[in-house]
Amino acid sequence: DTEVTQTPKHLVMGMTNKKSLKCEQHMGHRAMYWYKQKAKKPPELMFVYSYEKLSINESVPSRFSPECPNSSLLNLHLHALQPEDSALYLCASSQVRGAGESYEQYFGPGTRLTVT
Amino acid sequence: GQNIDQPTEMTATEGAIVQINCTYQTSGFNGLFWYQQHAGEAPTFLSYNVLDGLEEKGRFSSFLSRSKGYSYLLLKELQMKDSASYLCAVRDDTGGFKTIFGAGTRLFVKA
Repeated sequence: DTEVTQTPKHLVMGMTNKKSLKCEQHMGHRAMYWYKQKAKKPPELMFVYSYEKLSINESVPSRFSPECPNSSLLNLHLHALQPEDSALYLCASSQVRGAGESYEQYFGPGTRLTVT
Repeated sequence: GQNIDQPTEMTATEGAIVQINCTYQTSGFNGLFWYQQHAGEAPTFLSYNVLDGLEEKGRFSSFLSRSKGYSYLLLKELQMKDSASYLCAVRDDTGGFKTIFGAGTRLFVKA
């Protein structure tokens, strides 16, 4: 199974709503990532979890709150978002390996988020 | 800091060969990836280089020169389905391992 799944596929939320994005993988990967991607732009790294611990937070506003309940699941909790937060949110996973070793990332299909 | 440059768009003909270049500057370089992304879909992994030289995988090859901060992706026998964005991404181990993506090259394959 080389699949990363994400739910929901589409989400429309108001600026006062609270919602969560979910990501799941069963490849035994111990690194999981959240990216934000705007149209015709590359993915921008938001968070990295390694062995279920937050290892990188790329100065993301606190209205985005990640959570890694176990080695297979990754959530992104959303609260008080702004219209400019509308984007495709991609989850990815990879092995955690040493220097010089490939650790390609497997991406989920993404959640298309619209903030109204 | 980090900087990754690649051409914005390229057009090529079905059956031809195309080379997409990528130059990078990063302090903690530890490997370079190429990903393919079709419009509205997630990126998919194509290749990985960490040592200088050419890696070949079917119709796709990737080259790396660490001393020049340069890579290219070579696509042979182009097919219409190869029309997509090609993202050059660099692994940077400064402050924890992370992958930094270039802006991508949109490739249009015409008949």
